[in-house]
Amino acid sequence: GESVGLHLPTLSVQEGDNSIINCAYSNSASDYFIWYKQESGKGPQFIIDIRSNMDKRQGQRVTVLLNKTVKHLSLQIAATQPGDSAVYFCAENRITSGTYKYIFGTGTRLKVLA
Amino acid sequence: DTGVSQNPRHKITKRGQNVTFRCDPISEHNRLYWYRQTLGQGPEFLTYFQNEAQLEKSRLLSDRFSAERPKGSFSTLEIQRTEQGDSAMYLCASSDGPYSGNTIYFGEGSWLTVV
Repeated sequence: GESVGLHLPTLSVQEGDNSIINCAYSNSASDYFIWYKQESGKGPQFIIDIRSNMDKRQGQRVTVLLNKTVKHLSLQIAATQPGDSAVYFCAENRITSGTYKYIFGTGTRLKVLA
Repeated sequence: DTGVSQNPRHKITKRGQNVTFRCDPISEHNRLYWYRQTLGQGPEFLTYFQNEAQLEKSRLLSDRFSAERPKGSFSTLEIQRTEQGDSAMYLCASSDGPYSGNTIYFGEGSWLTVV
């Protein structure tokens, strides 16, 4: 079925290194994607978004890449810090029954090692 | 803080009891969503409102669940005759429009534990 999923459930990186979190989606009609960060016991926090007419978007220390050909999304975090430790979700904005709805993947846990 | 507000943040209830959660969206956001999240999983869509109208309900939302948004502002999610399988975090989110590109912003969630 259609879904948004993640390749790696857990990613451990050394503090100061760059992190790359991947996400695959299967609905080629989806045209907007968001990355969320979720810390333990808290709600998802918006990080960065990208529309399907773009293939790259940069924020502060974060970059999202979109490859529509293979329906793949990635989140790059530069100079990973301990505060980046969290679960990261990609969300796909998909139209169903005439309205847009966000579908989330399972998530990737990022562990930053000191 | 003018973000999405949810309460209570935590609720422990005995099986069979009713519980109600409240969500106050970001001011002037006309769309309000409810999601459910269990440990190790991403948020699962439950239902959403456009102003006071409930436009879609997921199959996850059994007859024991009811959501309202009477004046198009705050919303409540009630679970009747709770079951242990209802234990989860219930997330509320809001956006300022129904179209692709209208980012949704989440509250901190309401944790439900059914014992």
